[in-house]
Order: sequence, then C-alpha cells, then structure tokens
Amino acid sequence: GENVEQHPSTLSVQEGDSAVIKCTYSDSASNYFPWYKQELGKRPQLIIDIRSNVGEKKDQRIAVTLNKTAKHFSLHITETQPEDSAVYFCASFSGSARQLTFGSGTQLTVLP
Amino acid sequence: GAGVSQSPSNKVTEKGKDVELRCDPISGHTALYWYRQRLGQGLEFLIYFQGNSAPDKSGLPSDRFSAERTGESVSTLTIQRTQQEDSAVYLCASSLGGVEETQYFGPGTRLLVL
Repeated sequence: GENVEQHPSTLSVQEGDSAVIKCTYSDSASNYFPWYKQELGKRPQLIIDIRSNVGEKKDQRIAVTLNKTAKHFSLHITETQPEDSAVYFCASFSGSARQLTFGSGTQLTVLP
Repeated sequence: GAGVSQSPSNKVTEKGKDVELRCDPISGHTALYWYRQRLGQGLEFLIYFQGNSAPDKSGLPSDRFSAERTGESVSTLTIQRTQQEDSAVYLCASSLGGVEETQYFGPGTRLLVL
C-alpha cells in the first residue's frame, strides 16, 4: 500500500522566518495531497491541498509544491507567526488503495 | 452548517468492557471515515464508508473492532473487550463523496482504557 514519509518531525523557527515541511509518497497513482494543521487537543483542519494536475498552489502565507516525478510534495509557510505553532500532517490519496494515508506529523514551533 | 460531531467527547472504561463511539457526519456527505490517533502519533486509518457500498474495513486492527453506518448518516464504532492499547483519540471525518474529496474531521473521542 501507500507509504508517506514526512520530515522533519520537529521544527523550530523564529517569528517572521519561513518554515518548510517535506513529504514523499510511494504510489505513483496518487493524485490528491492535502495538508492538515492540528493544534493541541483539537481536530485536524485542512489548510491547503493540491491535485496532481498542478505543480504549485498558494494561499496567502501558505504554499504547497508537488513534484510528481520525484513523488514528493512540500508545505511552505512564510512570515511565520506564533499562532502557526501546531502539528502539521501531510496526506496522500492512493488510487490503488483508495485511502488517504497520512504522514507522521511535524511539530512546528514558532518562537516569538 | 454544522460540522462533524462525535460523542462522547471523553470515555473512560475498564479493560474488557465494550465501548461504542458515535459520529454524525456533515449533512449530505456520503463518505465517512474512522481514524485512530495515539498520543503524539499520526492518524491511522480504520474504516471507510461510501454510500451504500460495502465498507473498506482494511484498517481495522483486530476483530474486536467493528463499525456500522445507517444509510448516509450516523456511524458507530464498537470496540469489544477493550485493551489498554486501545487508548487513543478516535477521529471521524466525512466528505462529499469519494476518498479524494476533502475530509472534514470531528473533534474526536478520547478513549482511556484502565
């Protein structure tokens, strides 16, 4: 089945700096890649997603890039703020398994 | 409109007892999913319902776990003869239809097995 690896597991940045989280996937048929933000004790919330027919998508300070050839996608957060501190999960929809497989998560801490 | 809701929000039970967890998806969402999230871990897929199709049970960890869904509404996840390793947050999500559609999560049920 699909395997999603996410790095780094923890990331600390200074407020105002950029943060980048990377994920790789194994199923070449995967075609949908959402990113979720989960604050402590809260439910995961979708922050951005990308489908396989585009290489980049941006929403204000958040962007996601996808490289289908290399089977990796990344989340970029610019001008980070303390409220960006949370656990971020990438996910990949596998066309063969027909499941959304999640990465192991990245704990992002934005230091004021 | 209302989001995905789950009940109870917290459940403490004794080892060996059965528990039932409930999920109310967003109205009109035909797809419903259950995940397990252990402390500090990622989301582990359990089961997926899509309309009237047979559910995808490939993620259920043992035969102590089962789930039902009534039509395109409420779902219940049942864990029989609970074990301490079942302690986790159980998250439900729903989407309009088809696994590739955006999934919206409920607040989860925190299960503690003593």
